[in-house]
Amino acid sequence: DQQVKQNSPSLSVQEGRISILNCDYTNSMFDYFLWYKKYPAEGPTFLISISSIKDKNEDGRFTVFLNKSAKHLSLHIVPSQPGDSAVYFCAANPTGGGNKLTFGTGTQLKVEL
Amino acid sequence: NAGVMQNPRHLVRRRGQEARLRCSPMKGHSHVYWYRQLPEEGLKFMVYLQKENIIDESGMPKERFSAEFPKEGPSILRIQQVVRGDSAAYFCASSLSAGEKLFFGSGTQLSVL
Repeated sequence: DQQVKQNSPSLSVQEGRISILNCDYTNSMFDYFLWYKKYPAEGPTFLISISSIKDKNEDGRFTVFLNKSAKHLSLHIVPSQPGDSAVYFCAANPTGGGNKLTFGTGTQLKVEL
Repeated sequence: NAGVMQNPRHLVRRRGQEARLRCSPMKGHSHVYWYRQLPEEGLKFMVYLQKENIIDESGMPKERFSAEFPKEGPSILRIQQVVRGDSAAYFCASSLSAGEKLFFGSGTQLSVL
């Protein structure tokens, strides 16, 4: 049972344009959401997070939007840069879940020149 | 300030052998988590340990898998009598405390022949 879903395995975007990565979840107990970025042969690195009490969190070029009623979140990267090419994982955590994260299957982003 | 160190990076075992994966958390971190990523899937939580204690092992397979985090030395994930289905990337992560940000290692790629 995939509780966190990233339905797009890959996304290709031109440099300078906006990248939008989507994530859906099914577990109503999730109340904290994170995005991780992963380069080949490396571990995931934390990118940005959002608590369920907010609907938007911004950090530089990265913005995460949360729609609780739709159980949907998205990561916006603008402007996209070639160095952003990586696999992006959405992850979720229930209240009191500590760091027992549930990950999606990832979206491979390719930013083309 | 070294990050989370995992070794070996690659481990090849024949069916029936034992695999030992090591993880040294970031300096000052006493909370360690193991995640497994099967091909084409997201990372899945396996076990959460704090020095000398297993806090949550709800993601560990019931047989053949064990984990420890001794008072001295790295955390060890041990897989006995490996089977082909154990082939995966195993990631270790550490945090300063239970709810703090996770820092991941580069992973150990286990291949079972």
